[in-house]
Amino acid sequence: DAGVTQSPTHLIKTRGQQVTLRCSPKSGHDTVSWYQQALGQGPQFIFQYYEEEERQRGNFPDRFSGHQFPNYSSELNVNALLLGDSALYLCASSSHAGAFNSPLHFGNGTRLTVT
Amino acid sequence: AQSVTQLGSHVSVSEGALVLLRCNYSSSVPPYLFWYVQYPNQGLQLLLKYTTGATLVKGINGFEAEFKKSETSFHLTKPSAHMSDAAEYFCAVSDPGNTPLVFGKGTRLSVIA
Repeated sequence: DAGVTQSPTHLIKTRGQQVTLRCSPKSGHDTVSWYQQALGQGPQFIFQYYEEEERQRGNFPDRFSGHQFPNYSSELNVNALLLGDSALYLCASSSHAGAFNSPLHFGNGTRLTVT
Repeated sequence: AQSVTQLGSHVSVSEGALVLLRCNYSSSVPPYLFWYVQYPNQGLQLLLKYTTGATLVKGINGFEAEFKKSETSFHLTKPSAHMSDAAEYFCAVSDPGNTPLVFGKGTRLSVIA
């Protein structure tokens, strides 16, 4: 049973560029959340997708956007990259529609470095 | 807004010793509480969770945590540390009503042989 898979595992971009990160949820899960984990910090909630719509959003600028596809996979897009966007980006899936008390299953993350 | 405080960014214990990792939350309403573990270069793995019911929660790998409403705490313990327990541990909370998880800054656990 495949867990949450994320691609790519590492990425290096230049300031001002755009990046797309991808996530496939655990089998049977229909909800995807994205988190940003800066070095030495806990994960911070970016947004959550269910039924192909953004359901909740954390305190992140509009440069951060996402998408969920009919097969429940998801993308995170970041435009106009800043040095401060360098972080580990974690995708998490769950099986209850929008219910944050259902346990999140995390992928191994994408390490984004902005130079 | 909900906040989580993990006391001690780094805890070091000897193999076989008691592990105690502290977590306090700010909500006045009993939240849902979680502990996650993160091994190097990996994502987060759920150790245990408290939603309702029994306040002492048992998780995987011999860990347990007790929800104490009066102290707004959810400390993680393990009676005897093993070398394989060395990792980063995160406490997280969410308020009832479908709010996103709020994570603490994490505590790095080192186990000394």
